[in-house]
Amino acid sequence: AQSVTQLDSQVPVFEEAPVELRCNYSSSVSVYLFWYVQYPNQGLQLLLKYLSGSTLVKGINGFEAEFNKSQTSFHLRKPSVHISDTAEYFCAGTTGGTSYGKLTFGQGTILTVHP
Amino acid sequence: IAGITQAPTSQILAAGRRMTLRCTQDMRHNAMYWYRQDLGLGLRLIHYSNTAGTTGKGEVPDGYSVSRANTDDFPLTLASAVPSQTSVYFCASSEGVSSYNEQFFGPGTRLTVL
Repeated sequence: AQSVTQLDSQVPVFEEAPVELRCNYSSSVSVYLFWYVQYPNQGLQLLLKYLSGSTLVKGINGFEAEFNKSQTSFHLRKPSVHISDTAEYFCAGTTGGTSYGKLTFGQGTILTVHP
Repeated sequence: IAGITQAPTSQILAAGRRMTLRCTQDMRHNAMYWYRQDLGLGLRLIHYSNTAGTTGKGEVPDGYSVSRANTDDFPLTLASAVPSQTSVYFCASSEGVSSYNEQFFGPGTRLTVL
């Protein structure tokens, strides 16, 4: 079974600083990986996804993530954050096969951007 | 506006009572899902439906049931609520069951069981 681990429960940063939110996955088969963002009192929105091809994936709001098979990681990065990026971020994955559409989520990382 | 609606927004419920959380989508998506979100645990899949008329168990199905009588609606029922079911519940849908389909989420229902 696949598991997804987010290594940091909270990440505080100052505005305009770079940020990296870490995600590791475990799987013995090919994977599909996603990053979702949840703003306060809202549902989840898709930031980006990795299905195949280029290991560097660009998403909305200036975020990008890199799929690293050797390190089983899918870290999310942004070179310069804004106050509006304050939210909780979830890494999620699925392996396909009999796991069609059934996402496994990480525990979440709360990103707080300070002025 | 197309999307997913959930009702109620929040609910306080006495233990032992029956409760149905409603979920409706107007995107004609085939697949629908119910998740619960708990602090430090992320989202966990309760039940899912790949298409109208079929349902399946997720990671934490005990104490919950679902039905999928049509494409648009996917209600979640707690037959006899317990305090451990206090959580935020999210309904989601995707166009198909393939793993690469994006899941779209509703705004959530905050449920407190006393």
